Amino acid sequence: EIVMMQSPATLSVSPGERATLSCRASHSVSSNLAWYQQKPGQPPRLLIYGASTRATGIPARFSGSGSGTEFTLTISSLQSEDFAVYYCQQYNNWLMYTFGQGTKLEIK
Amino acid sequence: EVQLVQSGAEVAKPGESLKISCKGYGYSFTSHWIGWVRQMPGKGLEWMGSISPGDSHTRYSPSLQGQVTISADKSISTAYLQWSSLRASDTAIYYCARQERDRDGYYFDYWGQGTLVTVSS
Repeated sequence: EIVMMQSPATLSVSPGERATLSCRASHSVSSNLAWYQQKPGQPPRLLIYGASTRATGIPARFSGSGSGTEFTLTISSLQSEDFAVYYCQQYNNWLMYTFGQGTKLEIK
Repeated sequence: EVQLVQSGAEVAKPGESLKISCKGYGYSFTSHWIGWVRQMPGKGLEWMGSISPGDSHTRYSPSLQGQVTISADKSISTAYLQWSSLRASDTAIYYCARQERDRDGYYFDYWGQGTLVTVSS
């Protein structure tokens, strides 16, 4: 099983500032990495796939980078609606998809 | 518009059986795998298994194999997740999600609204 580890568990950032979220895989997943945003009471929403490709309708302030085992989600200038929980997910091994434990992005 | 619409919240007793559903709209239902993802109270996301509605080929998480059954009826564009004997630990929100093909695998691009299953005596 590929284990996905996200850091930090909680990130406190002020509106307008940059947020950087990390995701590390226990084994290489190439670029088969997606990021999701989840707000309370809502289903997850796809932000990024292929490690760096924004999904349809996702604002340009969201960007993804990395390959292999190290990945980053960057939100360039935080808006109020961006405060949520973010999950990474590998789909390199499709016998066993795995998610990270999540990073909660909160208002500082 | 692509939509996945799930059945409503359920309350059941331990040992009971249950089947929840996920109906697809706005796309060719047989062209995309459907995955089921569990979210236990206050916790993260866990993939349970997936089905190809066109041929009902299924894959399960090794940790959940045998505990649930995933099926689909392509004639009504609906996927199902069922339990034969519920446990209190099955209490969770269950999401279905459409899978889209990338180069080497599939990510989840559209999600249902979730079905809350509460198992309590």
